Amino acid sequence: DSGVTQTPKHLITATGQRVTLRCSPRSGDLSVYWYQQSLDQGLQFLIQYYNGEERAKGNILERFSAQQFPDLHSELNLSSLELGDSALYFCASSTQGQPEQFFGPGTRLTVL
Amino acid sequence: EDQVTQSPEALRLQEGESSSLNCSYTVSGLRGLFWYRQDPGKGPEFLFTLYSAGEEKEKERLKATLTKKESFLHITAPKPEDSATYLCAVQDMDSNYQLIWGAGTKLIIKP
Repeated sequence: DSGVTQTPKHLITATGQRVTLRCSPRSGDLSVYWYQQSLDQGLQFLIQYYNGEERAKGNILERFSAQQFPDLHSELNLSSLELGDSALYFCASSTQGQPEQFFGPGTRLTVL
Repeated sequence: EDQVTQSPEALRLQEGESSSLNCSYTVSGLRGLFWYRQDPGKGPEFLFTLYSAGEEKEKERLKATLTKKESFLHITAPKPEDSATYLCAVQDMDSNYQLIWGAGTKLIIKP
């Protein structure tokens, strides 16, 4: 158990809908990262937050957005969902000054 | 451009048959190289961080080594429970704590 929690574990929705994925980092970690992993694909970095501020953006679609709240939990919002958005979405966190990222169990999103 | 290449894509071994996984990287300056293990449908589990050429880290049947261009994950006398996908990632000195990920090596250990 890494100490990173994600909810929900599974999400099934329809095309065109909007969903919100939630992540709580390890206690004391200020950085949160979001990743997408499609079937048999590698990890694709989406976005990073540090202490509430966006720090880096990867291959994140304009239909996707994220934020980090004062209590350091983060939410990833996915809108106008398409079939191709079906994937595992992982959140990771890291401690200030330490590069290692610790991953949550993921949310499996299925878009029908 | 920063790049990480892992080989082989997949590796099937008999229980007890030792082998190595390779991670080749290209970065302007290496801040760190990371190995993770990922089981199907689960989040990657952190294994090791290596910072400089010549460094080695060990954990049970796994040993990670680092040169200036590549890292090896040596698996000694593996057991079926070592079956997983092993991911390698690097962090460039110029990055903002972002990791560049390889595609992974899927390791299958047959009893």
